[in-house]
Amino acid sequence: LAKTTQPISMDSYEGQEVNITCSHNNIATNDYITWYQQFPSQGPRFIIQGYKTKVTNEVASLFIPADRKSSTLSLPRVSLSDTAVYYCLVVNAGNMLTFGGGTRLMVKP
Amino acid sequence: SQTIHQWPATLVQPVGSPLSLECTVEGTSNPNLYWYRQAAGRGLQLLFYSVGIGQISSEVPQNLSASRPQDRQFILSSKKLLLSDSGFYLCAWSRDRVDSPLHFGNGTRLTVT
Repeated sequence: LAKTTQPISMDSYEGQEVNITCSHNNIATNDYITWYQQFPSQGPRFIIQGYKTKVTNEVASLFIPADRKSSTLSLPRVSLSDTAVYYCLVVNAGNMLTFGGGTRLMVKP
Repeated sequence: SQTIHQWPATLVQPVGSPLSLECTVEGTSNPNLYWYRQAAGRGLQLLFYSVGIGQISSEVPQNLSASRPQDRQFILSSKKLLLSDSGFYLCAWSRDRVDSPLHFGNGTRLTVT
């Protein structure tokens, strides 16, 4: 299983762009990179998923370099409601979708 | 569209009492089903997963068990709760595809007293 490492916490201010980087040095060829967001007392919510290069949706962008050993979740112009825990997962057909500790993002006014 | 239902939302149980948490999924067939537990301020721990009726895999040995009596029903049980069983229990489903994300229920907050 590819282990992921991400910062425990980050602080930002409203309107700023936030980039959260996840390291996954032993990612395998068939692995996908997936990010989830979790608010207190709620289940995690899928944000974005990618395999390589760049993926963008209405919520975020995901940047994956050519070696795929890391990925960066980019949240444009964050608001207070983006305060949450963000989890990076590396998944494949045999991965039972184990979550790491996540990054606790605090957005300040 | 697919929906996942999990109940109850909160539960307070004494030590030694039994437990039954139920999760059902609508709008899809043959989903992969998962039970996770989250201790206060911690990450998610995978407890059980199932790829089909009657097929249960356990990730963590403990006094909890899971069953899948129907395609879209997943049940988490215990015969005798321990204090350490307190936590936030989350059920999730995914399609049987490597690129299928997890979809979580709203969770059950269990307090064992």
